[in-house]
This record gives sequence, structure tokens and C-alpha cells, in this order.
Amino acid sequence: ETGVTQSPTHLIKTRGQQVTLRCSSQSGHNTVSWYQQALGQGPQFIFQYYREEENGRGNFPPRFSGLQFPNYSSELNVNALELDDSALYLCASSQDLRGALEYGYTFGSGTRLTVV
Amino acid sequence: ELKVEQNPLFLSMQEGKNYTIYCNYSTTSDRLYWYRQDPGKSLESLFVLLSNGAVKQEGRLMASLDTKARLSTLHITAAVHDLSATYFCAVDDRSSNTGKLIFGQGTTLQVKP
Repeated sequence: ETGVTQSPTHLIKTRGQQVTLRCSSQSGHNTVSWYQQALGQGPQFIFQYYREEENGRGNFPPRFSGLQFPNYSSELNVNALELDDSALYLCASSQDLRGALEYGYTFGSGTRLTVV
Repeated sequence: ELKVEQNPLFLSMQEGKNYTIYCNYSTTSDRLYWYRQDPGKSLESLFVLLSNGAVKQEGRLMASLDTKARLSTLHITAAVHDLSATYFCAVDDRSSNTGKLIFGQGTTLQVKP
């Protein structure tokens, strides 16, 4: 297993800009979820992708979008950045739609996005 | 809507002492997870609890689940400084059919020498 890797680790953007965050899931994990963690808060579910299709979405506006690719990598795109988008963005992969029964979800190291 | 609440939110304790973190959730769920997060880092999986009465232990940490009471506990035995971190419980939102996790606010544990 190679784990879940995210890039970049840190990013500073200006309000109104667009950003793409990347995640490389563990081999064999066909499900990836993205979470936003504001400072001092628990992570909040943005959306999930399963076999390259969006499979559920949290309370986030359409300017948050994603892609999943056949090679287990995925992207989170955010358009028209707002100051409140500043957060740690985490991707989590799992072996199936509802998580690996025994091991749960594997989280990546995260991307810290700062919007100024 | 599923809600998850942890208490306490902050816990300062002496090395060698025991304490328990509580996680309550509002609707039926079949999986509960505990994660650890060090400052500026990602989430490390600690325990996956899958059924009523499940108990798991790893080192000085023990987690249990009571699905009837919708309560999970994370018990810390003889705390050491290395356990200082923020601990999150998360519940699988069955209504979403996506494996969506709902997280608690987190409990920040500070273990003093």
C-alpha cells in the first residue's frame, strides 16, 4: 500500500481565483471523499466519487466540483474563491462505497488553502 | 439530520491519570470511527466500531460503542504526553448511502508531565 497523497501541501490564493487540489488514492480504492476542515472544527463532507461518478454531496455550493480518474487519482476544484474557503482540505479513500469494513477510511495529509 | 457531539471539547490532564471522552450521536448508525489528529496534520485512524457492545483496545486507548444509547466512549488509561492530540469521533450517515462521515467537534487532549 502506498497510502493517500495530496498536493500541494500549502497554497495561497486570492479571493475570486480558482484552485485545483489533487489526491492520489491507495491502489484498489475506488471511492474517494473530500472533506473541508476549518480551523478548530471537525471535517465536513464535501462530496464523494465512486468509479469516476459523483456519488453524494454535502452542503457545499456548485462552485465546489470534482473529478475522479481511472488511475485512482482525483481532483477538487473550487471556483470564485471566498475568504471562508480557507481551510484544510482532506481526501479520504476507501475500498468500497461505504468504507472498508475493518479499516475505515484512509485520509491523506491534506492541503492547507489560504484565501486572501 | 445526523448530529455528533463530543465532550469535553478540551481536556487537560496529568500524566498517569485516567479519563474518558464521550461521543453522542442523534440517529441510528452502524459504524463509528475514532481518529487522532496532531496539529497541522491529517487524521489517523484509531478504531472502527461496527456493532453494539463493540470494544477495541490499542495501548492506553480503549473505545466502546453502545448503539442503543447512541454513545461511544474513548477511555484513556495512565495518560502519557505522547497522547496529546485532538481526537475526533465520526459516525457513518446511513441515510446518505455514500459512506458520508459526520464528525464531532473534536476533543483536544493536553497531557502534562
